[in-house]
Amino acid sequence: DQQVKQNSPSLSVQEGRISILNCDYTNSMFDYFLWYKKYPAEGPTFLISISSIKDKNEDGRFTVFLNKSAKHLSLHIVPSQPGDSAVYFCAARARGYSGSARQLTFGSGTQLTVLP
Amino acid sequence: EAGVVQSPRYKIIEKKQPVAFWCNPISGHNTLYWYLQNLGQGPELLIRYENEEAVDDSQLPKDRFSAERLKGVDSTLKIQPAELGDSAVYLCASSLSTDTQYFGPGTRLTVL
Repeated sequence: DQQVKQNSPSLSVQEGRISILNCDYTNSMFDYFLWYKKYPAEGPTFLISISSIKDKNEDGRFTVFLNKSAKHLSLHIVPSQPGDSAVYFCAARARGYSGSARQLTFGSGTQLTVLP
Repeated sequence: EAGVVQSPRYKIIEKKQPVAFWCNPISGHNTLYWYLQNLGQGPELLIRYENEEAVDDSQLPKDRFSAERLKGVDSTLKIQPAELGDSAVYLCASSLSTDTQYFGPGTRLTVL
């Protein structure tokens, strides 16, 4: 079963507009969430994270929102730039300090294309 | 600071042949991960090392896959024999304990 779901495989946005990427999760033990960005032929690169004790975390043009009751998080990119075109992965980690709790569970990714 | 290094970047082999991937983590990172990424999917953990100890290998197909991390630094992942379904990207990542994981560029394996 997919514990982390990214239901939109692709998203196209005009340069300068807002990009909103969505992610849903099912495991209530997840308490830490991350977004990774991946360019072709490269490994995923950490972008931004959020702990379950917060509902928002901002870093420059990137903001992640967490709605624990809905088990939903989203990544907002404002303004979107052509260089943001990449695959974005949502990932989650369960609370705990050992064993599989440290394991990241990834979604299947969303291909963002920012049109100039 | 150098990132996670992986080699080779690409590998094409025939089925039933053995193959090995190598990973050099970021200096000082005690935790190392091997992930499998199929086309259109997110990375899936195969094995996690803390120093030289494999602490989570529950998703490693042990009949054909093996891994080692000698001296708690570099690591190798081996498949013997390879099957057609093993074609994928194999990613290595490292972190300092539970901190953010940093990924290497991956090895794209094609099994013919």
